Amino acid sequence: AQSVTQPDIHITVSEGASLELRCNYSYGATPYLFWYVQSPGQGLQLLLKYFSGDTLVQGIKGFEAEFKRSQSSFNLRKPSVHWSDAAEYFCAVGEGNTPLVFGKGTRLSVIA
Amino acid sequence: GAGVSQSPSNKVTEKGKDVELRCDPISGHTALYWYRQSLGQGLEFLIYFQGNSAPDKSGLPSDRFSAERTGGSVSTLTIQRTQQEDSAVYLCASSLRGLFTEAFFGQGTRLTVV
Repeated sequence: AQSVTQPDIHITVSEGASLELRCNYSYGATPYLFWYVQSPGQGLQLLLKYFSGDTLVQGIKGFEAEFKRSQSSFNLRKPSVHWSDAAEYFCAVGEGNTPLVFGKGTRLSVIA
Repeated sequence: GAGVSQSPSNKVTEKGKDVELRCDPISGHTALYWYRQSLGQGLEFLIYFQGNSAPDKSGLPSDRFSAERTGGSVSTLTIQRTQQEDSAVYLCASSLRGLFTEAFFGQGTRLTVV
């Protein structure tokens, strides 16, 4: 069965520090990969997506993610976190004509 | 409208009652999705509409749940005989062409069954 795993439920980082949020998936073929962010009281916003081509994709707000087929991973990174990045982050995966499957999310806290 | 609109934003209902949740997608978007977000559980797919095709209902958890989309635009998610386990945030999203194009999410309807 298709599945998406975000191993970290909650991460706390200092402002200005680097960030990496993990996402692993279990799919048969080449999936389509997304990262969404949900700020408190806000809807989900797309950060970036990968369909094919260059495995390092750039997104909004300074985020990037790297697709690693050998590791079945699509980790989200940011070199320097800002306090406004505190939010819930969701990895999502799709394949063929199936709707997106979301991970359970990682809550990011940013401290001064 | 500028974005996906959902109403009501909050709904408290008594166990056993029926509820209707409404979604107004972005104008021109042919695809519409419903997801359910429970605390600590991520987003659970419920149903997907694409144009005039038959909807993908594979995520509906029971026959108490149903959804329709009128005129290819507004959608209504109906939950009959609500149970406490139905309490969650129900999210609607739309996209321009369907799967693998960016999905824009509404703010959600927080349903509480008491």
